[in-house]
Amino acid sequence: SQTIHQWPATLVQPVGSPLSLECTVEGTSNPNLYWYRQAAGRGLQLLFYSVGIGQISSEVPQNLSASRPQDRQFILSSKKLLLSDSGFYLCATSKQGGGYGYTFGSGTRLTVV
Amino acid sequence: LAKTTQPISMDSYEGQEVNITCSHNNIATNDYITWYQQFPSQGPRFIIQGYKTKVTNEVASLFIPADRKSSTLSLPRVSLSDTAVYYCLVGDMSDYGQNFVFGPGTRLSVLP
Repeated sequence: SQTIHQWPATLVQPVGSPLSLECTVEGTSNPNLYWYRQAAGRGLQLLFYSVGIGQISSEVPQNLSASRPQDRQFILSSKKLLLSDSGFYLCATSKQGGGYGYTFGSGTRLTVV
Repeated sequence: LAKTTQPISMDSYEGQEVNITCSHNNIATNDYITWYQQFPSQGPRFIIQGYKTKVTNEVASLFIPADRKSSTLSLPRVSLSDTAVYYCLVGDMSDYGQNFVFGPGTRLSVLP
């Protein structure tokens, strides 16, 4: 079965500082990978998805970026954080060509101060 | 994308059966219906998936009428630990999942 490792669990960063969140997947190869953000009390917003190494699609324009340097590694970055970047960030994976939906990581609670 | 509509919140008592209905009038032929459960500060967890009629697993049942324009998640004999947000997603699984859209979900509160 697929397992997602996501870290750190919580993060407090000042405005203007850089960001790097990492997600790795075990138990599968060539997975689809996703970054979601959830504001307090809200639903999940898809930020980026990737169907392969170096292939990134962005759903929402913002000051965040994503990279996939290895098959099972997905990174969310920012050069300069904004207050509005605060939220709960979730990495997810799904099987290529179908399957039973998403498997989510445990999430990172980011607070920009 | 098949847009979904769910009640924003529901209350129930321990031991009762809870039914959460999701409307998806624009569901496409290749779309599946998937339900997730999310606890605070955790990622959503897959509960059940179906295409038509009825699906049952150890956690829940999913009822889908013939026209597939709605679906009902049924949780038998809920307990306090079932208090969570439940999401209904509709999409084409063969499309690599990128067209799945999470709405605000249904916040279920189970009372003692």
